[in-house]
Amino acid sequence: GQQLNQSPQSMFIQEGEDVSMNCTSSSIFNTWLWYKQDPGEGPVLLIALYKAGELTSNGRLTAQFGITRKDSFLNISASIPSDVGIYFCAGLTSGTYKYIFGTGTRLKVLA
Amino acid sequence: DTGVSQNPRHKITKRGQNVTFRCDPISEHNRLYWYRQTLGQGPEFLTYFQNEAQLEKSRLLSDRFSAERPKGSFSTLEIQRTEQGDSAMYLCASSDRNTGELFFGEGSRLTVL
Repeated sequence: GQQLNQSPQSMFIQEGEDVSMNCTSSSIFNTWLWYKQDPGEGPVLLIALYKAGELTSNGRLTAQFGITRKDSFLNISASIPSDVGIYFCAGLTSGTYKYIFGTGTRLKVLA
Repeated sequence: DTGVSQNPRHKITKRGQNVTFRCDPISEHNRLYWYRQTLGQGPEFLTYFQNEAQLEKSRLLSDRFSAERPKGSFSTLEIQRTEQGDSAMYLCASSDRNTGELFFGEGSRLTVL
């Protein structure tokens, strides 16, 4: 099935560092969602974005809706060990309610 | 607990058997989704319902798969004559009619031996 491209695929960072990841598509989206998934669990919604250029924060997380509407970005500031997990983006195009998910960014934090 | 509920959480079955998963969405959500996730991949769309109507199905959903949402509340996903390639996590989600935010359940992990 169709999936969005996420970058990087995985990353190791030191505790306290900031993290950036992105999600890109060849299609224009009108909604972006960001999720975190722990092993064996369902994805948990972190942030929702609805307008091009929108910047939204949730605690140490900040996400942006790219102005081209073909990408989105997630930043995590001052990472902590519980940030470990897989982060997924999901996008929605107009005319459908079918969300397409990214391939995921696996985050590992070194204490 | 008012979140999305799925059961069973784990199912081990032999090839050729039929399995059924159930999903109870968040009560005020009118859209319900089924996704499949294999190891190392993101969730892949299978189908979604708006109330009791099944509005879209993926080509991934072969003839052996059927989903229902008879009264617009809970949904079932049945897989007939299971194959080893059906082994995956089956995720259910429901969405808020106003924001479109998608909320997932804990998933049902299927292992076909």
